Amino acid sequence: ELKVEQNPLFLSMQEGKNYTIYCNYSTTSDRLYWYRQDPGKSLESLFVLLSNGAVKQEGRLMASLDTKARLSTLHITAAVHDLSATYFCAVERSNFGNEKLTFGTGTRLTIIP
Amino acid sequence: GAVVSQHPSRVICKSGTSVKIECRSLDFQATTMFWYRQFPKKSLMLMATSNEGSKATYEQGVEKDKFLINHASLTLSTLTVTSAHPEDSSFYICSAQGGSLANYGYTFGSGTRLTVV
Repeated sequence: ELKVEQNPLFLSMQEGKNYTIYCNYSTTSDRLYWYRQDPGKSLESLFVLLSNGAVKQEGRLMASLDTKARLSTLHITAAVHDLSATYFCAVERSNFGNEKLTFGTGTRLTIIP
Repeated sequence: GAVVSQHPSRVICKSGTSVKIECRSLDFQATTMFWYRQFPKKSLMLMATSNEGSKATYEQGVEKDKFLINHASLTLSTLTVTSAHPEDSSFYICSAQGGSLANYGYTFGSGTRLTVV
């Protein structure tokens, strides 16, 4: 059974600081996704990582994937209050041609002014 | 871009009644749709995978008779919570596959907050 764990579960950080969220998964996967969720809202797609060594950046967020270590990271640079949200990674696996996502535990990020 | 419309966004119902939630892909055909459940401050748990024209595939532990899924067309899947009870109160989110290439096919609906009283 595929397990996806995120670390930390809760993160409170000051504006302007850098930090990294880690996503570990237990078996090989096809793709890895990062999503943002604001309270009471649905998911906003941030990144899709397709292969080993993939790195993607958008604004203050950068995601990377190491398939050998089964690890993805989401790095936050010079955090601002608007980045406060819950971040989920999700791993896609195919099972006889049927693809589905397994979500991580989530990291609730709070940026303090 | 790909848009998935989910309706209603919020519903309150009495115990014992049934509630239907709709998930529509507005500008693309979705051969596969997914239904998730999310408890407060928790992650998303996949309930079932819905394929157009065939029976849904339910995840282990999900009661198929309680959570009826119908995917009658390439743009519409419905989730009916039958004989709802307070423990069914949750945030339900659908996702459709077959949309934006930027998302590699997963587009999420806006979610439905179900409260059973």
